[in-house]
Amino acid sequence: GENVEQHPSTLSVQEGDSAVIKCTYSDSASNYFPWYKQELGKRPQLIIDIRSNVGEKKDQRIAVTLNKTAKHFSLHITETQPEDSAVYFCAARANAGKSTFGDGTTLTVKP
Amino acid sequence: DAGVIQSPRHEVTEMGQEVTLRCKPISGHNSLFWYRQTMMRGLELLIYFNNNVPIDDSGMPEDRFSAKMPNASFSTLKIQPSEPRDSAVYFCASRGSREKLFFGSGTQLSVL
Repeated sequence: GENVEQHPSTLSVQEGDSAVIKCTYSDSASNYFPWYKQELGKRPQLIIDIRSNVGEKKDQRIAVTLNKTAKHFSLHITETQPEDSAVYFCAARANAGKSTFGDGTTLTVKP
Repeated sequence: DAGVIQSPRHEVTEMGQEVTLRCKPISGHNSLFWYRQTMMRGLELLIYFNNNVPIDDSGMPEDRFSAKMPNASFSTLKIQPSEPRDSAVYFCASRGSREKLFFGSGTQLSVL
């Protein structure tokens, strides 16, 4: 089955700096890669996603890149703000199957 | 749309008791997922349904866990008998024809 590895497990940045979280996947059939943000005590919420026919997608301060050949994808957050502090999960999925999640990255943005 | 609705939000029970968690997916969504989240194991998929049919239950930890989806708008996850190591947050999520997965607010289960 699919295996998703996520790094780093914790990340601390200064407000205004950029943050990058990286994930690798194992199943070449995976073609959908969402990212979720989970604030303390809340549910995971989708923040951005990318399909395998696209190399990069951007939404305001958030961007995701995908390298299918290397089987890795990354989340980039620019101009970080304290409210970006949360746990971020990547996931990979093939077609209509199940999503496999990474172990999460705890991002702390220091004011 | 009210989103995915789970109940109860919190459940505290004693070891050996039966626990039933409930989920109402978003109307029109045909896939439903049960996840368990712990600090040690992260987000684990327990089981998922497509069109009310269980597709993959390989994540169900043992026979004490069972899940049903009697119709398109309701699912239950049952633990009988419950054990302290079952303490976790249990999330239900649903997905429609588009790819996005929507999570419920979760049930915080504590087994004493």
